Amino acid sequence: AQSVSQHNHHVILSEAASLELGCNYSYGGTVNLFWYVQYPGQHLQLLLKYFSGDPLVKGIKGFEAEFIKSKFSFNLRKPSVQWSDTAEYFCAVNARHSGNTPLVFGKGTRLSVIA
Amino acid sequence: GAVVSQHPSWVICKSGTSVKIECRSLDFQATTMFWYRQFPKQSLMLMATSNEGSKATYEQGVEKDKFLINHASLTLSTLTVTSAHPEDSSFYICSATPGFIGNTEAFFGQGTRLTVV
Repeated sequence: AQSVSQHNHHVILSEAASLELGCNYSYGGTVNLFWYVQYPGQHLQLLLKYFSGDPLVKGIKGFEAEFIKSKFSFNLRKPSVQWSDTAEYFCAVNARHSGNTPLVFGKGTRLSVIA
Repeated sequence: GAVVSQHPSWVICKSGTSVKIECRSLDFQATTMFWYRQFPKQSLMLMATSNEGSKATYEQGVEKDKFLINHASLTLSTLTVTSAHPEDSSFYICSATPGFIGNTEAFFGQGTRLTVV
């Protein structure tokens, strides 16, 4: 069975600070990897995803993530956070094979950006 | 991107009553939809896989007679919480993925916050 571990429950940063949120997964096969963001009172939104190819993936709003296969990691980064980045961030994986497969989510990391 | 609409956004019901939550894919067909549950300060946990035209597949520990799922068309899945109790209070989210290949993005509804009093 797959599992996802997010190391930080709550991260507090000042504006313009750099961000890195850790994500490790456990699965014996090939996976797709995702980072979702949930702003207060809103849908889950996809930040970025990795299926194959370049392990450094760039997403929306200046976010990026790097897939390191040997470490089973997919950490999320942003060089300079803004107050508007305050949200809950979820790392997720699903097994890569034909047909729809559900996502397995990490517990989420709450990011609070202060002015 | 594709849109998944969930209704209602929030509902309060009395203990012992039933509540129906709808999940619609507005601009694509979805033979499979997923229902998740999110407890406060916790992650989304998969409850069941909703399959159009056939029975839903439930995750271990999820009571199929309590959480009735019906996927009557390619754009609509419903989750009915029967005989709701306060411990069923939670945030329920559905998702759907356009297409039949696993390597595509899942789109989520806005979620339904259920409070059972």
